[in-house]
Amino acid sequence: DTGVSQNPRHKITKRGQNVTFRCDPISEHNRLYWYRQTLGQGPEFLTYFQNEAQLEKSRLLSDRFSAERPKGSFSTLEIQRTEQGDSAMYLCASNSYTNEKLFFGSGTQLSVL
Amino acid sequence: DQQVKQNSPSLSVQEGRISILNCDYTNSMFDYFLWYKKYPAEGPTFLISISSIKDKNEDGRFTVFLNKSAKHLSLHIVPSQPGDSAVYFCAASIIQGAQKLVFGQGTRLTINP
Repeated sequence: DTGVSQNPRHKITKRGQNVTFRCDPISEHNRLYWYRQTLGQGPEFLTYFQNEAQLEKSRLLSDRFSAERPKGSFSTLEIQRTEQGDSAMYLCASNSYTNEKLFFGSGTQLSVL
Repeated sequence: DQQVKQNSPSLSVQEGRISILNCDYTNSMFDYFLWYKKYPAEGPTFLISISSIKDKNEDGRFTVFLNKSAKHLSLHIVPSQPGDSAVYFCAASIIQGAQKLVFGQGTRLTINP
């Protein structure tokens, strides 16, 4: 069991730049989720995929955010024209139909300067 | 609006004693509740869960109690061990399976030797 893998672990960028994060879920999991966590808060749901279909997006996911899961395997989360308010830990998680437990990756810490 | 609240940001307990972490929720549609544990620089790890049709679920040293009328749940850890020192998040969802979780702010538990 290799777990959920996220890359990079840390990303520092300047305001206005685009960034892309990658998540590799546990191989047999068909559901993949993105969450965002800011300091002192719990994770907040952003979006989730069932196989390659993006089934739900939170209001938190502005037009500058886009997520994809081609072929139902890994997923990418792109933020365009980053703002300082985008600074947060971006967490990816996965599970399957038969297991309600979410398995989280270690996250990508984004700092927008 | 904070639908899941953990009103104690921190808790300190002596090793061997009982740790009690509390969580309140406002949305009566929630029907599945979970506790996650998070160490620094790692993603949250599933600890224990409970369905709204139950009022107690036990797993080793960990027990979760649910009081639906009070919209309150608690996590009991007994006996507490130094390795239990972490941030604990309470989470809730409406549909079991698709884990669009709503998290509380977290409680930092410190176990003192």
